[in-house]
Amino acid sequence: GAGVSQSPRYKVTKRGQDVALRCDPISGHVSLYWYRQALGQGPEFLTYFNYEAQQDKSGLPNDRFSAERPEGSISTLTIQRTEQRDSAMYRCASSSIPGDEQYFGPGTRLTVT
Amino acid sequence: ELKVEQNPLFLSMQEGKNYTIYCNYSTTSDRLYWYRQDPGKSLESLFVLLSNGAVKQEGRLMASLDTKARLSTLHITAAVHDLSATYFCAVDERASGSRLTFGEGTQLTVNP
Repeated sequence: GAGVSQSPRYKVTKRGQDVALRCDPISGHVSLYWYRQALGQGPEFLTYFNYEAQQDKSGLPNDRFSAERPEGSISTLTIQRTEQRDSAMYRCASSSIPGDEQYFGPGTRLTVT
Repeated sequence: ELKVEQNPLFLSMQEGKNYTIYCNYSTTSDRLYWYRQDPGKSLESLFVLLSNGAVKQEGRLMASLDTKARLSTLHITAAVHDLSATYFCAVDERASGSRLTFGEGTQLTVNP
């Protein structure tokens, strides 16, 4: 079956622009997670949802970052007024129920120039 | 703040040899996950360990969890080149299906 998909796979943007990253979880999965992974490091938690409810956003670095999952399926991570330090791989994961293993998507490589 | 430490961070080994990767974490949790990541690829789930004393095996890899010692191990038996990858452990701090905190990863290279 289809896994977690993310789009775009690569995004290059100029400093100060807003970007929206999309995640399409495995069909029927209740929980959706966003992580950020720097080169050579493990993923770092950003936020997660159960259905459409954002359960924990404590990992979002600052108020330029926001996420939504309005219908409990597809999620969007938005970064406003991008900065060079935002450059990283952004990964989405989903699990069938909270606490179950998380399946990761291919990621979106964001480069801010 | 939960800290998850893996060692070694880099491991170069010969085919056919055995080795163990260690994952220590700093707070109480009984949910630990192991992932594999190939260069330029996403993370692949290997094992989910959900209780003290849990042991799981798949092929040449075996993972165990000791929640009292706050330690998980990933044992590699008779390594083969195809096992070359980066291995991450991750801990569910709240045991409620929320955030995972990952270790730094162990970059394993198996030489012929």
